Amino acid sequence: DAGVIQSPRHEVTEMGQEVTLRCKPISGHNSLFWYRQTMMRGLELLIYFNNNVPIDDSGMPEDRFSAKMPNASFSTLKIQPSEPRDSAVYFCASSRQGVTTGELFFGEGSRLTVL
Amino acid sequence: SQQGEEDPQALSIQEGENATMNCSYKTSINNLQWYRQNSGRGLVHLILIRSNEREKHSGRLRVTLDTSKKSSSLLITASRAADTASYFCAQGVQGAQKLVFGQGTRLTINP
Repeated sequence: DAGVIQSPRHEVTEMGQEVTLRCKPISGHNSLFWYRQTMMRGLELLIYFNNNVPIDDSGMPEDRFSAKMPNASFSTLKIQPSEPRDSAVYFCASSRQGVTTGELFFGEGSRLTVL
Repeated sequence: SQQGEEDPQALSIQEGENATMNCSYKTSINNLQWYRQNSGRGLVHLILIRSNEREKHSGRLRVTLDTSKKSSSLLITASRAADTASYFCAQGVQGAQKLVFGQGTRLTINP
């Protein structure tokens, strides 16, 4: 099993540019989560999907952020326009059973730097 | 905020000693999970304890849960240099399919 795959691993962009982060969950997992990690705020849940449907997006900071899951094997997190305060490591994670009974499998993260 | 707290924020011990990390949380939970993160890497699941369990073991790890105090602890026995990492507790929030993470404990094992 290849695990959760995220791309790009590193992205450096300028303020105002659009950023798209990509995630391929583990095959057979039906829940997908996007987290953001910063030194100041720790790990924050941005949004999660169950069976490709967004269930809770209350953690999405503002309208500049959007996430999609067009099928069971692919999700994107988009920031448009990006701002320096969006600099963080963004993690995607998936789960087979949902976190009520199971664990999360994390990708290696996408480190975003907005100049 | 539902985010829990971990104590201590940083811990440095000698190889072979035991390491204990504590976690307090705010919500009602289905389970509490512990994760490990090596520098620059993703989080890796270590152990899950359900809300009706009080103690669980896995290898050198021992986790306790006290739901009346909304607290949990992770004990790593006979620590090794390779245990150096950040450790996070995560609340499986009751009634919601989501995990809320604490701020983590940075553990350093000195050889």
